[in-house]
Amino acid sequence: QVQLVQSAAEVKRPGSSVKVSCRPSGGTFRSHHAISWVRQAPGQGPEWIGAIMPVFGTPTYAQKFQDRVTITADESTSTVHMELSGLKSDDTAVFYCARGGGFYAHFDAWGQGTLVTVSS
Amino acid sequence: EIVMTQSPATLSVSPGDRATLSCRASQNVGTNLAWYQQKLGQAPRLLIYAASTRATGIPGRFSGSGTGSEFTLTISSLQSEDFAVYYCQQYTKWWAFGQGTKVEIK
Repeated sequence: QVQLVQSAAEVKRPGSSVKVSCRPSGGTFRSHHAISWVRQAPGQGPEWIGAIMPVFGTPTYAQKFQDRVTITADESTSTVHMELSGLKSDDTAVFYCARGGGFYAHFDAWGQGTLVTVSS
Repeated sequence: EIVMTQSPATLSVSPGDRATLSCRASQNVGTNLAWYQQKLGQAPRLLIYAASTRATGIPGRFSGSGTGSEFTLTISSLQSEDFAVYYCQQYTKWWAFGQGTKVEIK
């Protein structure tokens, strides 16, 4: 069963940036896969941040985050990165990557989550 | 932007009883609707996609229905492992999740 493996938890200062990575535990991303990033604040529902099809490399972002998020894919290592800048205390959340069968598809695999704590 | 609204926020149910969860989309999403289960400290787990198709390994007591903007997840006979938070998600126009329904023991 394909699992997604994410990078470790981070503690960041307000105004700084964080970069979280995601890769499949075995194999590579298929050409039709889209990898999304989702933020889940404590006690809240998941919130979609953006997505990329790693083979094609063109990301798309939710309007709420588009000014401060960058999603990239490194095909050679099958790794997708999400960088969020201008961190605020309310960015404290668990960030998940999730795999879909392309854009406009449900998520059939999730990473284990990366806790990002923003604190001065 | 499509907004997903779930009700109720909390559902208190006795083991063995039926649970019915609702999800409404602010626009027509056809059957591009999924349901996920999330337990404390875990990532969400796919239960249902295409509004009514159970994901691999999901027990038959979980069923989904609906089309357009009104959807329902039914758990026919609640087991102890089913007490969790449930989210609906549309994937017609990008992705959006509801705020969740917590199913708790009555």
